[in-house]
Amino acid sequence: EAQVTQNPRYLITVTGKKLTVTCSQNMNHEYMSWYRQDPGLGLRQIYYSMNVEVTDKGDVPEGYKVSRKEKRNFPLILESPSPNQTSLYFCASSPRPNRGGRWTEAFFGQGTRLTVV
Amino acid sequence: AQSVTQLDSHVSVSEGTPVLLRCNYSSSYSPSLFWYVQHPNKGLQLLLKYTSAATLVKGINGFEAEFKKSETSFHLTKPSAHMSDAAEYFCVVSDDSSASKIIFGSGTRLSIRP
Repeated sequence: EAQVTQNPRYLITVTGKKLTVTCSQNMNHEYMSWYRQDPGLGLRQIYYSMNVEVTDKGDVPEGYKVSRKEKRNFPLILESPSPNQTSLYFCASSPRPNRGGRWTEAFFGQGTRLTVV
Repeated sequence: AQSVTQLDSHVSVSEGTPVLLRCNYSSSYSPSLFWYVQHPNKGLQLLLKYTSAATLVKGINGFEAEFKKSETSFHLTKPSAHMSDAAEYFCVVSDDSSASKIIFGSGTRLSIRP
């Protein structure tokens, strides 16, 4: 089954304790990205990756790191989490754009609800 | 620059009545437009998408949306609401091939009254 898998689904941690949220896709997609969802703000992009070893900042990258050493995995790293990073996080993967150069669809993981106290 | 505005943060309808969720976009070029649905404690699921083919797009679960370039709108409709439609709905716009240019609306929460 084609899917994007995030782990963990729920995480409560303390300020300053490094954590990693994993993301894996089995669709051989080049593009992967991370979003955070906050009430009334929709989804905002944190980082994205166009391919292995190619990553770039999205709209809200402060306080986050990513890596893309393999095509299927795109972990999100919080080196020193703070309470304002309490949020619902989604990983997404997408195939290459279609012939017209347009995005056709993004596939999302189930989400990771992170609480930083 | 592209943007997307969902005009209602919350819509409440009675079961069996029509649903209208409004979305307006701003784009420098001809955009691709999507509607995603998020049920409570679930991930996002694609409902339907417009990528420069037919302007009336049919999606899953009886939903459809019409791309109106003159009005820069992509409203989501369904003729008859079902209790299982209660969820959050996101309108999404992309006007190029960059992974950095997918913009989400702020979401519309749809409630269904029995």
